[in-house]
Order: sequence, then structure tokens, then C-alpha cells
Amino acid sequence: DVKVTQSSRYLVKRTGEKVFLECVQDMDHENMFWYRQDPGLGLRLIYFSYDVKMKEKGDIPEGYSVSREKKERFSLILESASTNQTSMYLCASRPQTMNTEAFFGQGTRLTVV
Amino acid sequence: GENVEQHPSTLSVQEGDSAVIKCTYSDSASNYFPWYKQELGKRPQLIIDIRSNVGEKKDQRIAVTLNKTAKHFSLHITETQPEDSAVYFCAASSQAGKSTFGDGTTLTVKP
Repeated sequence: DVKVTQSSRYLVKRTGEKVFLECVQDMDHENMFWYRQDPGLGLRLIYFSYDVKMKEKGDIPEGYSVSREKKERFSLILESASTNQTSMYLCASRPQTMNTEAFFGQGTRLTVV
Repeated sequence: GENVEQHPSTLSVQEGDSAVIKCTYSDSASNYFPWYKQELGKRPQLIIDIRSNVGEKKDQRIAVTLNKTAKHFSLHITETQPEDSAVYFCAASSQAGKSTFGDGTTLTVKP
């Protein structure tokens, strides 16, 4: 059973803080993703990684960075949190093969005050 | 890049009726089209998928159709039940490992 685990379910941070969201998968997947989910806007891709130390910008990378030092772990970093980054953040992983489903973490509800 | 449009954004049906959600995509290189269901407070999970070499796929009450020429695909749910109430997302994959999602459809099935 594939497991994608996000380190926190709920987070409250102050404006200007540096925030780390962690994601770990146990299926040896090459590809990992960070999405942001807002009502009416679906799932928007922030960053993705297709290998250790490799990363590519998604559709909304501004204000975010990522780190992938180990295959199983993909971290999303908010360098200086702002109120417009209040959102649900979803991590996902999938094998390198294109025609396969993505497996999602349970999500982190981040509130920036 | 890929652009996926999904309609309608909300859909309300009576229990037992059918529900249809439609998506269009822009990149003709896309060849994998999954559908995810997200129940309230839970993570999205795959319910059905279709690959570009197939026109239709069915799994019990759920079916997906794909028209590559028109670049659109649809989710069909028959004999809807209250537990089908959720947000449904379509997606299209046009390069290795990356999926573009539609904005989601909130389906409500009234008992």
C-alpha cells in the first residue's frame, strides 16, 4: 500500500516566518510534486522533482522553494510566509513511467496570520 | 504548457440519476487521463483512468470516454448514490511524470 505522508495536518505561522512542509513517500517513486489547493482553483502545481537534487518550477513557484536531498523526501519551503499563502498544500508522488496515477498525501492546511 | 478545462464547477443530481463531468485539454501529446475523487477532508484518490489508445473504459457504475481528435474526455457516473458526493478532478499528462489538473467539480447527490 503506497503511503505518502505529510509532516503536519495543520500549521499556523506568522507573516515573515520561514516555513517548511515535509513530505515522505515509501514506494521508491522518482517523481514528487507539491500542489496548492484553493476553492475554485483546483490543484495548482508549485514545484516538482523527478530525481534527487533535481527540481522544476510548476505553474505558481513564486514565493516557494523546494529541496530533495533524498529520494523519499520532498520539502516545500516558504522563504517568508505571507497571508496569501494561506492554503491547503498537497504532496504527491508517482513512478517515472508517465501512464500511472499519482498518490497524494493527506494535505497540510497552512494558515499565515 | 498543458491547459485543462473542467465543467461544470458544481453539479447537483437526485439519487439514482446519472452525472457527467467534461474536460478538455490543449496538448495533443497528452496520453494519460486520470480522474480523482476527493471526499471532504480527505486526499484525492484515483477512481478511473484512460490512456490515449483507448476510447472508453468502464468500471461498474463509472465510465470514462476519450475523444483524442476533439481533445476532450468525460466522466460518467450512473445510478448515483449519496456516497458519490465529492469533488472530482480530471487531469492530463503530457510529459513524463507531470499532470495538469482541472479546477474540480463539486458533485452533490441528493437522497
